[in-house]
Amino acid sequence: DAGVIQSPRHEVTEMGQEVTLRCKPISGHDYLFWYRQTMMRGLELLIYFNNNVPIDDSGMPEDRFSAKMPNASFSTLKIQPSEPRDSAVYFCASSLDNRGNYGYTFGSGTRLTVV
Amino acid sequence: EDQVTQSPEALRLQEGESSSLNCSYTVSGLRGLFWYRQDPGKGPEFLFTLYSAGEEKEKERLKATLTKKESFLHITAPKPEDSATYLCAVGNYGGATNKLIFGTGTLLAVQP
Repeated sequence: DAGVIQSPRHEVTEMGQEVTLRCKPISGHDYLFWYRQTMMRGLELLIYFNNNVPIDDSGMPEDRFSAKMPNASFSTLKIQPSEPRDSAVYFCASSLDNRGNYGYTFGSGTRLTVV
Repeated sequence: EDQVTQSPEALRLQEGESSSLNCSYTVSGLRGLFWYRQDPGKGPEFLFTLYSAGEEKEKERLKATLTKKESFLHITAPKPEDSATYLCAVGNYGGATNKLIFGTGTLLAVQP
């Protein structure tokens, strides 16, 4: 398996533009997580899905953020409109369960810069 | 409020110089203490899960231990390839959701 695949690796956009981040989880993993990492706050959980259904989106900062999982092999995180404070590394992770018993497998992340 | 604190923020060791990283936590419903390794430009890589006080797990030069309030990651005779950021996370399974809460990590640099 190629692991969790995220695209793009880097994204630079202007304030106010729409940004879409993409993730392909490991086949057979029922849980998918979106995290954001910054120097100040570390890794923060934004939202997670179980069998394509959003379970907890309490970490989504505000209505500008939305996430979808239309099928078991694809998820998107969208920011519209983007703001400079959204600049961070966004990670997608997948797991066989959501208690970390088997460990979460993280992708390599998308580094987002909003100017 | 649930919280995970790691110390030190950064640690520089000489090759072969053993040391320990600390992770202290306060969480209402602990269901596991997790250690991850993160290399620059990559996502975190799972190392260990500990579930109860007194439990220990080892992997090569790394050994993780757990008490009721903190966990230690002991690094014995480290090599330069052990240089990375080490992240600690706790599983909080209270309420209707289950999530991992991460600390901000310890940046370890091992010099040859």
